[in-house]
Amino acid sequence: AQKITQTQPGMFVQEKEAVTLDCTYDTSDPSYGLFWYKQPSSGEMIFLIYQGSYDQQNATEGRYSLNFQKARKSANLVISASQLGDSAMYFCAMREATGGFKTIFGAGTRLFVKA
Amino acid sequence: ETGVTQTPRHLVMGMTNKKSLKCEQHLGHNAMYWYKQSAKKPLELMFVYNFKEQTENNSVPSRFSPECPNSSHLFLHLHTLQPEDSALYLCASSQEASGGPKVETQYFGPGTRLLVL
Repeated sequence: AQKITQTQPGMFVQEKEAVTLDCTYDTSDPSYGLFWYKQPSSGEMIFLIYQGSYDQQNATEGRYSLNFQKARKSANLVISASQLGDSAMYFCAMREATGGFKTIFGAGTRLFVKA
Repeated sequence: ETGVTQTPRHLVMGMTNKKSLKCEQHLGHNAMYWYKQSAKKPLELMFVYNFKEQTENNSVPSRFSPECPNSSHLFLHLHTLQPEDSALYLCASSQEASGGPKVETQYFGPGTRLLVL
């Protein structure tokens, strides 16, 4: 069964420093995608980054990178040079290729960036 | 307008009211979704429309009624709701391939914050 685990309910980081948000997943499907979304207090779920299970390299998008360790079934999000505007909830999500349209979301991690 | 838009952004309704949530996507996608986000619970998929056909209904009570008149518009009709239905309702869209297993990114709207009194 699909499962996404985010073990950090809350994280603090100093402005301009890097931070890693943890995500582990469980699936028996060899083909799947992993996603990270940011949700500010306004409520919108903003897509950040995607990693396919067959991708050989870790995904990067600007200050966001995904540390994909397939054998450990982990897909941690790394945010470099944190900014005050990065304060938000961050959700890890997974979708299986044979799972239809269902995307499973983790419980989220609330990130606080300190000035 | 770009991306996915939702109206209204906030809604307060009584348990006997009837209201509708509207979602519009400007991305040319062919699949649209309704999600419910309650406090302290993971995001829950409610309905999926692919090529205007409803493909999933995840045991959602009949007081929620979706409608997808075309690939760009999605509605959620609400009637006789309960206080526990108070939540953030998010609409999303994606571009799905017509054949073979694929994993496509879903793009979300800003959500409608619903309060049922």
